[in-house]
Amino acid sequence: DIQMTQSPSSLSASAGDRVTITCRASQGISNYLAWYQQKPGKSPTLLIYAASTLQSGVPSRFSGSGSGTDFTLTISSLQPEDVATYFCQKYDTVPWTFGQGTKVEIK
Amino acid sequence: EVQLLESGGDFVQPGGSLRLSCAASGFTFSSYAMTWVRQAPGKGLEWVSSISDNGGSRYYADSVKGRFTISRDNSKNTLYLQMNSLGAEDTAIYYCAKRFSNVVVLPGNYFDSWGQGTLVTVSS
Repeated sequence: DIQMTQSPSSLSASAGDRVTITCRASQGISNYLAWYQQKPGKSPTLLIYAASTLQSGVPSRFSGSGSGTDFTLTISSLQPEDVATYFCQKYDTVPWTFGQGTKVEIK
Repeated sequence: EVQLLESGGDFVQPGGSLRLSCAASGFTFSSYAMTWVRQAPGKGLEWVSSISDNGGSRYYADSVKGRFTISRDNSKNTLYLQMNSLGAEDTAIYYCAKRFSNVVVLPGNYFDSWGQGTLVTVSS
């Protein structure tokens, strides 16, 4: 099975900072990569699919890139409401595996 | 508006059984594949099981294969997860989630709507 590895596992940044989270697949998955945001105590919500396509309603400060095995999620200017854990997910074939998550905090 | 409402979570002893339900509304339930994802306390997300729109195809994570059964009743707009031989490792919040598209030929399975989750605790 393909493994999904995120880094870092957590980060702390100041409001307004640019934040980048990496997700690496153990084998190529083309662009079949989604990103989710999970705020504390809440259910996950879809941010990005097809590696770089923003889900409707998601602020434009979020962006995604990558293809094959290496992907990134970028928050161009971190806002207090972005405090959350972010998960990547491969969705090409079974099993539809998630990364272990990256917790984002505000300094 | 899509709504997914899970229920059935409870405290159960090791070796016990439980059936979770997910009541769906706000979309044509019978046209969408559905999925269960779980999250152990303080941990990440784990895909558990998925079922096609008509129930003809079912998929399971290795960790639950042979113990869990996913099913659906399209006449009741409800998704189910029957969980048997439960162990402490099954303790988690269980979410139901809707596939992004009802177009079956589109490849892939990601989730554009999630329920609020139901907590399953397995302990003696």
